[in-house]
Amino acid sequence: ETGVTQSPTHLIKTRGQQVTLRCSSQSGHNTVSWYQQALGQGPQFIFQYYREEENGRGNFPPRFSGLQFPNYSSELNVNALELDDSALYLCASRQTGTGELFFGEGSRLTVL
Amino acid sequence: ELKVEQNPLFLSMQEGKNYTIYCNYSTTSDRLYWYRQDPGKSLESLFVLLSNGAVKQEGRLMASLDTKARLSTLHITAAVHDLSATYFCAGLNTDKLIFGTGTRLQVFP
Repeated sequence: ETGVTQSPTHLIKTRGQQVTLRCSSQSGHNTVSWYQQALGQGPQFIFQYYREEENGRGNFPPRFSGLQFPNYSSELNVNALELDDSALYLCASRQTGTGELFFGEGSRLTVL
Repeated sequence: ELKVEQNPLFLSMQEGKNYTIYCNYSTTSDRLYWYRQDPGKSLESLFVLLSNGAVKQEGRLMASLDTKARLSTLHITAAVHDLSATYFCAGLNTDKLIFGTGTRLQVFP
């Protein structure tokens, strides 16, 4: 149990649609980051939020966007879905003291 | 830009045997992480290694870090079937984790 919860766990969309994935992290974990893991690959960093502001971004296009809220929840939004967006999306929150990252169970997105 | 490489990519080993997974990284990393992932599941944190010479052990797994060689190892002692999973190492670079490609471990009787 990591204290990081994600929803939905699975969803199916079609090309061109938009999707919002949600993450709720532990109280006091001010940093949340999102990762995309394609099948058979290691997770790839999408972006990170600290105190509701984006403070780091990986090599993902602008149609990947996010928000972080004061209650330690966050969202990942993906517009104009493409087939290659099919992946497991992982949210991670950081424990301030040790720097350890705790991952949620992930949201598996399938784009048809 | 930090790059992380793991080897081997696949490892099939017999129960009771020992083996080591290697993780090389290209530039300075603030810390080194090891994760386990079961099929269709999320990442389970195994170890966080903070400094040169750090060694941590949990059950049959032991991780070490050599920052001068830019190398971390995950040693498996007397493997059991329950250790079958994919293992990732990851370096930390400007607050983002850079993952290796993973080592898929299968332990057979």
